Amino acid sequence: VLTQSPATVSFSPGERATLSCRASQSVSTYLAWYQQRPAQAPRLLIYDASKRAPGIPARFSGSGSGTDFTLTISSLEPDDFAVYFCQYRRAWPIFGQGTRLDIK
Amino acid sequence: QVQLQQWGSGLLKPSETLSLICAAYGESFVGHYWTWIRQPPGKGLEWIGEINHNGVTNYNPSLKSRVAMSIDMPKNQFSLNLTSVTAADTAVYYCARGSRLSHVLLPFDFWGQGTLVAVSS
Repeated sequence: VLTQSPATVSFSPGERATLSCRASQSVSTYLAWYQQRPAQAPRLLIYDASKRAPGIPARFSGSGSGTDFTLTISSLEPDDFAVYFCQYRRAWPIFGQGTRLDIK
Repeated sequence: QVQLQQWGSGLLKPSETLSLICAAYGESFVGHYWTWIRQPPGKGLEWIGEINHNGVTNYNPSLKSRVAMSIDMPKNQFSLNLTSVTAADTAVYYCARGSRLSHVLLPFDFWGQGTLVAVSS
């Protein structure tokens, strides 16, 4: 099970945002982060906990291993206000329930 | 650049079969896992299953009895059938590529546009 908390966070543009994902047991570094904007498909941001997917801006970074992971957005831009999901894979892929990043 | 384009039935009655097709452009099927994921309105993401270029499948245990996936290599297409649908199957259905970026995680790096499937009597 992946737990993302809180369900909603609020930041202002230009601020640094950190989102959390916790696994119920160790997943090593096999964790991904996705961004989903309204009415769009999810977009892969980070895989293997800290590797940016091709084309993803450097302001997105991931860290963590084992059970605790963080997605950091260094300076929020208007398009970054969206829902973020974490995901890992054991026998099959499992997603967290998502964190909504709102504008303060 | 990979593009996934999907199509299929959008409105179903209970007990009918959901059928969706996804075409992949700009990339060979070989080496990746071709996946279906769904998202009920206002909710999170649920993995349905995957198929590789050899036709090897892996399904979510909660849906396994109702799911079938197939692949058409010459057309670079793969498909999803979900039988005996109910209102609980109402969701946006996405096709996606499980990528070799990570051989363990197989992250989903390309997605179709999504198809809203509604089940209602």
